[in-house]
Amino acid sequence: GENVEQHPSTLSVQEGDSAVIKCTYSDSASNYFPWYKQELGKRPQLIIDIRSNVGEKKDQRIAVTLNKTAKHFSLHITETQPEDSAVYFCAAKGGGSYIPTFGRGTSLIVHP
Amino acid sequence: GAGVSQSPSNKVTEKGKDVELRCDPISGHTALYWYRQSLGQGLEFLIYFQGNSAPDKSGLPSDRFSAERTGGSVSTLTIQRTQQEDSAVYLCASSPRTSGGTDTQYFGPGTRLTVL
Repeated sequence: GENVEQHPSTLSVQEGDSAVIKCTYSDSASNYFPWYKQELGKRPQLIIDIRSNVGEKKDQRIAVTLNKTAKHFSLHITETQPEDSAVYFCAAKGGGSYIPTFGRGTSLIVHP
Repeated sequence: GAGVSQSPSNKVTEKGKDVELRCDPISGHTALYWYRQSLGQGLEFLIYFQGNSAPDKSGLPSDRFSAERTGGSVSTLTIQRTQQEDSAVYLCASSPRTSGGTDTQYFGPGTRLTVL
């Protein structure tokens, strides 16, 4: 089955800096890669996703890149703000599967 | 519109007791997932329902765990003879299951289960 590795487990940045979270996956047939943000005590919420037919997607200060050859994808957050502090989860969903495999999460701390 | 709801929000029980956790998915969503999230951990898949198809139970950790989904809507996760290691947040998610398998999952607020 699919295996997703996520790094780093904790990321601490100063407000205004950029943050990058990386994930690798094992199933070359995976075709959907969502990212979720989970604030403390709240539910995970989708912030951006990418499908295997594109290499990059942007939405304001966040972007996701996908390298299918290397089987890795990354979340980029620019001009970080304290409200970006949360746990971020990546996931990969294999072709023909409706069950995504999640990474273990990255705790992002943005210091004001 | 209304999102995914779960009840209770918190449940404290004694070891050995049975518990039932409820999930109300978004109306019209045919796919429903249960996950377990232990403190500081990721999302552990438990079970997946899709319409009237047989559920995918491959993530259930033991036969003490079971789930059902009545009428293709509300789902109940039952844990029998609870153990302390069952303590976690149990999250439910639903999705509309569009073609291509690239569905967005919408999560509920979770039920925090504490087994004493």
